[in-house]
Formats: sequence, structure tokens, C-alpha cells
Amino acid sequence: AQSVTQLGSHVSVSEGALVLLRCNYSSSVPPYLFWYVQYPNQGLQLLLKYTSAATLVKGINGFEAEFKKSETSFHLTKPSAHMSDAAEYFCAVMPKTGTASKLTFGTGTRLQVTL
Amino acid sequence: EPEVTQTPSHQVTQMGQEVILRCVPISNHLYFYWYRQILGQKVEFLVSFYNNEISEKSEIFDDQFSVERPDGSNFTLKIRSTKLEDSAMYFCASSEALASGTIYEQYFGPGTRLTVT
Repeated sequence: AQSVTQLGSHVSVSEGALVLLRCNYSSSVPPYLFWYVQYPNQGLQLLLKYTSAATLVKGINGFEAEFKKSETSFHLTKPSAHMSDAAEYFCAVMPKTGTASKLTFGTGTRLQVTL
Repeated sequence: EPEVTQTPSHQVTQMGQEVILRCVPISNHLYFYWYRQILGQKVEFLVSFYNNEISEKSEIFDDQFSVERPDGSNFTLKIRSTKLEDSAMYFCASSEALASGTIYEQYFGPGTRLTVT
């Protein structure tokens, strides 16, 4: 079974600082990987996805993530945090094999951005 | 921009009552999903639906749950006899298709917060 682990339930950064949100996956076959963001009282919005093309994936709002098979990781980064980035971020996996298209989510990381 | 909508935004019900959560997926999408998020926990998959039948369901999706696409636009989740532990945020999602080798984004609705008292 696939799973995803997000290290750090809460991350706090200063405005303008680097954002690094960690995600590690567990799967016998490298899966498809996603980062979603959830702003307060809103649904989940896709930030970016890895589908076995380029290992460095660029998403919306200046975020990017790099797939590292050797580390089974898909960490999310942004060079300079903005106040509007404060939200909950979820890493998710989807299996490449079989017919299942469900997303398996991590527990989420709440990003706080301070002045 | 097209979006998935869900109604109601908040539903309060008494234990043992039936509830129906409604979703309107994006119009050209063919796959539909329900997920839930118990407060403080991760988002969990419940069920996927394609071509008027369930494609996959999780262990959570027991006989108390059912899904239906009653017309060309709505997609509903019914809980027949609610329990306290059904209290959660329920998210509907839809995607265009599941063609082999192609991954389509799942678009999520804003959720329905279900409170069972």
C-alpha cells in the first residue's frame, strides 16, 4: 500500500524566507505525486504534480518540488515566502499501476508566515 | 473558471438520521470522488465513481454509505444512519478522465462540514 509522510505539522517562516515543506512517500513503484494547498474555509487546490516527466516540477504561486527517487522524497519549496502563502499544504500520491485513481494524502503541514 | 460546488456548506444532524451531501462536478468531467477529513486528521478517500458505478471504495465506505448521480449534473453522497464518528468535512472532487498513461487533476469542491450530534 502506498503512503506519504509529511514531516512537521506546523512550519513557520518569515516573509521573504525560503519555504521548505517535506514529503516522503512509500511505494514499491514510484507513484504520481501531488501537492495541494488548502486556504481557510476553501477546498483543495492543486499546486503542482509529478507524472514522471521532469523531476523538477514548477507549480503555481512560485512553488516548485523536486522528485528524488533515491530519497523517496518530493519536497515543496518556494524561494521567498509571502503572507498570502499561509495555508495548509498536503502532499498526495496516486498509484501508477492498476485502475485505482484515488489520492492518498499526508497529514498536512500548516505554513505560517510572519512579518 | 469552472469549479466543483457543494451544498450545503454546513450540515448539522442528529445521530441516526440520514443525510445527503450534494455536489455538482465540473460539467465535462467523467470521474467523481468523495473524500473526508475528520478534524485534525488527514484527508481520506471514500469512493470513486465512473460510468454510473463505483470504481473503487475504501474500507470506510461501508453499507451506511451510498453514492448516486441522479441526473446529469449532481453527484450525491448519502449516509443512511449517521454516527458521531461521521462528523467530518466531506470533499467532492471530479476529473476529466482516466486514460491510460494520462493523469488528470482532481478538482475539489469547498467541502461540506457535517456535524453529527
